[in-house]
Amino acid sequence: EDQVTQSPEALRLQEGESSSLNCSYTVSGLRGLFWYRQDPGKGPEFLFTLYSAGEEKEKERLKATLTKKESFLHITAPKPEDSATYLCAVQAPGSNDYKLSFGAGTTVTVRA
Amino acid sequence: GAVVSQHPSWVICKSGTSVKIECRSLDFQATTMFWYRQFPKQSLMLMATSNEGSKATYEQGVEKDKFLINHASLTLSTLTVTSAHPEDSSFYICSARAIGGGSYNEQFFGPGTRLTVL
Repeated sequence: EDQVTQSPEALRLQEGESSSLNCSYTVSGLRGLFWYRQDPGKGPEFLFTLYSAGEEKEKERLKATLTKKESFLHITAPKPEDSATYLCAVQAPGSNDYKLSFGAGTTVTVRA
Repeated sequence: GAVVSQHPSWVICKSGTSVKIECRSLDFQATTMFWYRQFPKQSLMLMATSNEGSKATYEQGVEKDKFLINHASLTLSTLTVTSAHPEDSSFYICSARAIGGGSYNEQFFGPGTRLTVL
């Protein structure tokens, strides 16, 4: 069974204080690793898809990286509007090739 | 682009009634749509996968007769919670997988529907 573990559960940052979120995974044949942002009471917002080890993607203050066992989401000089829960999900071959298995998320709070 | 809508955004119903939730892809066609359930402070759990024109595939432990899914077109899927009970109260979120182009594998999520059963 696919397993996705995110750490830490919660992260409190001062504005401008860079940090990283971790997503470790155990799957047989990764098809893709996805990062989403979710604000309270809303659906997840797509951020990145990573497909192979060594791949990196950036969007504004966010950068996602991927190794064979884990992915990191780096937040550089965060602002209060970056406060949200960040979800990691994996996709692997199986009876449902497009199924996403989600981690529990990391809730990030950025104080001004 | 890649906008998914859900209706209603919230609903309160009495125990024993049925509730229908709509999920629409507004600016793209989606052969596959997904229905998730999220409890407070927990992550998303896939309930079922629906493909346009065919029967939905349900995850283990999800009652097919309770959660009826219809995917009648490339832009619309519906989830009907039949004979709802308080334990069905949850946040229901749909997603759609775009076909074609470079974003073939991403799933785009709707804003969610908060269901409260009294």
